[in-house]
This record gives sequence, structure tokens and C-alpha cells, in this order.
Amino acid sequence: AQRVTQPEKLLSVFKGAPVELKCNYSYSGSPELFWYVQYSRQRLQLLLRHISRESIKGFTADLNKGETSFHLKKPFAQEEDSAMYYCALFNQAGTALIFGKGTTLSVSS
Amino acid sequence: EAGVTQSPTHLIKTRGQQATLRCSPISGHTSVYWYQQALGLGLQFLLWYDEGEERNRGNFPPRFSGRQFPNYSSELNVNALELEDSALYLCASSLALGGREWYNEQFFGPGTRLTVL
Repeated sequence: AQRVTQPEKLLSVFKGAPVELKCNYSYSGSPELFWYVQYSRQRLQLLLRHISRESIKGFTADLNKGETSFHLKKPFAQEEDSAMYYCALFNQAGTALIFGKGTTLSVSS
Repeated sequence: EAGVTQSPTHLIKTRGQQATLRCSPISGHTSVYWYQQALGLGLQFLLWYDEGEERNRGNFPPRFSGRQFPNYSSELNVNALELEDSALYLCASSLALGGREWYNEQFFGPGTRLTVL
């Protein structure tokens, strides 16, 4: 079964601290993985996708096939990073996104 | 550029009634996706339309249906409403036919909050 698991509902860190939002997946073959973000009172938007290997707003995510993980990391959290983060996987047929339940990141000063 | 728009913002219905939700994609986008965001369940894929055809549906009963119009806007209909249908319904659009080789970013609308009493 194809599945995305985000084990943490809430992650609270202080400004300047490193951040790691965990994402594990279940998938046969080579997955296509994404991170979406929803800031307060804004729409859900794409943050990054593993295939492009970009760094967006200081965030990076590396696909680890051995551990079936795609954790989102940032070395120094900023208050404006506070948001809901969703990890997502493109399904086997390539016709739908499968989302995790999301992790709320709260960055305080 | 105008983003994806959805109407209404809020919708209150009673059990057994029908609900109709509307979505207008970004100009030039032909694919429209519907997702349900219920409390505690996260975002779940409902339906995908492209070029007027239903291309894929998620694990939802047949009382969830929809259509896509020639101008690519879309409607989601939920018949025989149940209490557990209360959720935020998100619409997203993308440029091209979905598929691993041609995946394009999905742009999301603000959602319609459906409350079933």
C-alpha cells in the first residue's frame, strides 16, 4: 500500500534552532515526493519536490530510499516558518497525490 | 494572475441534503483535482478531471461525484449528506494531464468549508 506518515502532529522550536520535520513513506519502486506548506490564512502551496533537488526558503529534503524517508530540514528556523507542513507522494499510477496528515511547526522567539 | 477560486466559502447543510461546490481553475489549466480535508484525517484525494473527463477517483462512495465544464471549471456534488462529510474541500488545478512523466505543480484554492448538521 502507498502511504505517507508524518509522526509528529506538532513541532515546537525556538528561533535559530535546527528543524527536522519527519516524513516516512511506503511505496514500491521509485517514489516522487513533495513537501507542501500552508501558512496561516493562506493557501496550500508547493514548497519543494525531491526530483528538483532545490532549496526553498532554506529548506531541503533528501530522499533516503533505505529508510524510506523524506525528512524536511532547515538549519536555522525563523518565526515566519511557522505553518502546517504536509509531505506528499505521487501515487503509483501517477494520477493522484497522497498526503500525510501534516505537522504544525511553531517557531517562537 | 488570478489563482484558483472556489465558491461558496462556507456551506451549511443538513443530513440527507445535497451539496454543490464549485471551482474555477487558473486560466490555461486543464486539470482540476478535488481533495477532502477532514479533521484528523488530513488531505484525501477525491477526484481528478481533465479535458472534461473524470480521470481518477479516490476511495470515496459514489455519492461523491462531479463534472468538468468546457471552460474547465468544475463542480463537486455530494448527495445524501452524512455528518462525517463535514470538512474543508480543496480544489487544485494544474497545467497538463497528470501522470508521472508530465506532473505539473498543483495550485490550490482557498477551500469550501462544508458543515453538515
